[in-house]
Amino acid sequence: QKEVEQNSGPLSVPEGAIASLNCTYSDRGSQSFFWYRQYSGKSPELIMFIYSNGDKEDGRFTAQLNKASQYVSLLIRDSQPSDSATYLCALSSGYALNFGKGTSLLVTP
Amino acid sequence: GAVVSQHPSRVICKSGTSVKIECRSLDFQATTMFWYRQFPKQSLMLMATSNEGSKATYEQGVEKDKFLINHASLTLSTLTVTSAHPEDSSFYICSARAVMTGDWGENQYFGPGTRLTVL
Repeated sequence: QKEVEQNSGPLSVPEGAIASLNCTYSDRGSQSFFWYRQYSGKSPELIMFIYSNGDKEDGRFTAQLNKASQYVSLLIRDSQPSDSATYLCALSSGYALNFGKGTSLLVTP
Repeated sequence: GAVVSQHPSRVICKSGTSVKIECRSLDFQATTMFWYRQFPKQSLMLMATSNEGSKATYEQGVEKDKFLINHASLTLSTLTVTSAHPEDSSFYICSARAVMTGDWGENQYFGPGTRLTVL
């Protein structure tokens, strides 16, 4: 079983703060890593993906990958109430996507 | 660009009936489409992968005779839940892959989902 583990939360942060979301995985063959945002009752939308160790920044979002530790994270700077959603970590080993259960984020005004 | 639609968005049916869900890529050709199922507070679970013109590949534990998938064209895949029962009530989401190159996840676009409720 290829596991993708996320803390279900909820993670509560005040508006303007940095939200840190974490994900660990078991399959060392995983090559690509994705973060999706899912609002209640909606389908996931891709935030960003990362392939190489290190950081990747896109606007307020930064993905961090450490393949040796089998760990990927997402930082959201200047969190807004509209960022309140469930964040899904997903990985690909060359086939389809394998999703974690997601972390619920609540940004309070 | 890269829009995927699903129809219907919501369906309520009686136990024992069959329900068909359509997934369309509106502005691109999708050689591969995926079908996922998501129960409340759970992750998306891949049910099957379909390639245009060939039989779908089902994930372990998914009954292929219950969940019929047809990918008749490069823009349309259908999922039919046959003899639906209350335990089939779930959020069904399709995704379509736009191109053959690149990582499987990078070029995958999700439909808005179909909420199935079986009474």
